[in-house]
Order: sequence, then structure tokens, then C-alpha cells
Amino acid sequence: NAGVTQTPKFRILKIGQSMTLQCTQDMNHNYMYWYRQDPGMGLKLIYYSVGAGITDKGEVPNGYNVSRSTTEDFPLRLELAAPSQTSVYFCASSLGIPGDYGYTFGSGTRLTVV
Amino acid sequence: QKEVEQDPGPLSVPEGAIVSLNCTYSNSAFQYFMWYRQYSRKGPELLMYTYSSGNKEDGRFTAQVDKSSKYISLFIRDSQPSDSATYLCAMLRNDYKLSFGAGTTVTVRA
Repeated sequence: NAGVTQTPKFRILKIGQSMTLQCTQDMNHNYMYWYRQDPGMGLKLIYYSVGAGITDKGEVPNGYNVSRSTTEDFPLRLELAAPSQTSVYFCASSLGIPGDYGYTFGSGTRLTVV
Repeated sequence: QKEVEQDPGPLSVPEGAIVSLNCTYSNSAFQYFMWYRQYSRKGPELLMYTYSSGNKEDGRFTAQVDKSSKYISLFIRDSQPSDSATYLCAMLRNDYKLSFGAGTTVTVRA
């Protein structure tokens, strides 16, 4: 079982560049999430989606965009990368309300903006 | 004030010791309480969850919730080197979004 697959695993961007972080799940989960994890700060929610065509902002959405055209895919777009976006990005999914099922996380994308 | 505060650690214990991890929270609306384990350079994985005050056991792991004090704990008995990881508490209101603690890094020495 693949679960949640994130690509790329590592990336170095220059300030002002753009990129898309890919996330795919094969569990037919309706809910998908993007988090960023900074040292000592825990996980912060960037965007989430409760189904294809439906997305909403989390705690720290500025500088990011998402789309959800299929159940499986939930890409995260960084426009005009800034050093503050240096972080580890995790995609997650859940079958239903996370209280019942928890999240399944991908293995993360380590992004450095220089 | 953060919604979820977690003891920062790090913790280093000898093999076989009991590990005690704690989180406090300020939002009374939290209904579900979870613990995630995260190995180095990996994504978090769900360890335990509960939605009521009291204790819940799963093998060597016990999750404890005290809603009146807004306090949750995770105990690991007979700790093993394979338990060395970062442990994250997480809490959920009646919606889809988890709020995470900052994590406590645990090292179990053989």
C-alpha cells in the first residue's frame, strides 16, 4: 500500500522562484491537508480540503495556493518563494473526521529557500 | 498563549524506564486527543487517540486525559531503544483540523 506519496523529497529554491509540491493518496480519503513543520514549532496547517473541488485556508496560508481536482491529488503551489518558507512540508489525509480515524501522513518534502 | 503546550524536552532515559510525556491546552472545545510518533526524517504516525477523560491502554502505551485540568499525558512502560522518536500531542475540535503540540524528543539508551 502506497498510502500518501509526496514528491519531491528535497528541493532547494532561489528567492522568487515558484514550485509545486505534489501529494497523492490511494486510500480514497476525502479529507486532505498540508502542514508545515518548523523546529520547535510543531505542525501548522496551511490548507485543507474536504473533497474534490473544495479547499479552505488553515492557519498559515499566505504565500501558498492549492487545488483539488481529484480525490487522489492535492498539490501545494508556492509562488515567489521566500526564506520564511524554508520548512518541512507534510501532506496528510483522513477517511473522515480525524477524531475517528486520525491522519495518514506522507514522508515530507524538505524545502530550502536561499 | 498557544492553544496546545507540550513539554519541550528532550528526554533521555535508560532502557526499561517509564517515559512520561505531557501536554496542556487552553481551548475547552477540544474533543479528541491523540498522540503521534515521528521518527527522524519521517512523517508522524498515529499512536493512540481518545475522546474521553480517563486512561486508555494499548500494550506498553497508556494515554491519559483530564479534561477538567485540560491536561493529557502519554506513558511508555518498559521503554525500548526503538521508542526513540519525537512524540506529538494533537487535539481536535468538532471540525477537521488538528492542533499539534511542538513535540518532545525522546531517546532511550540501551
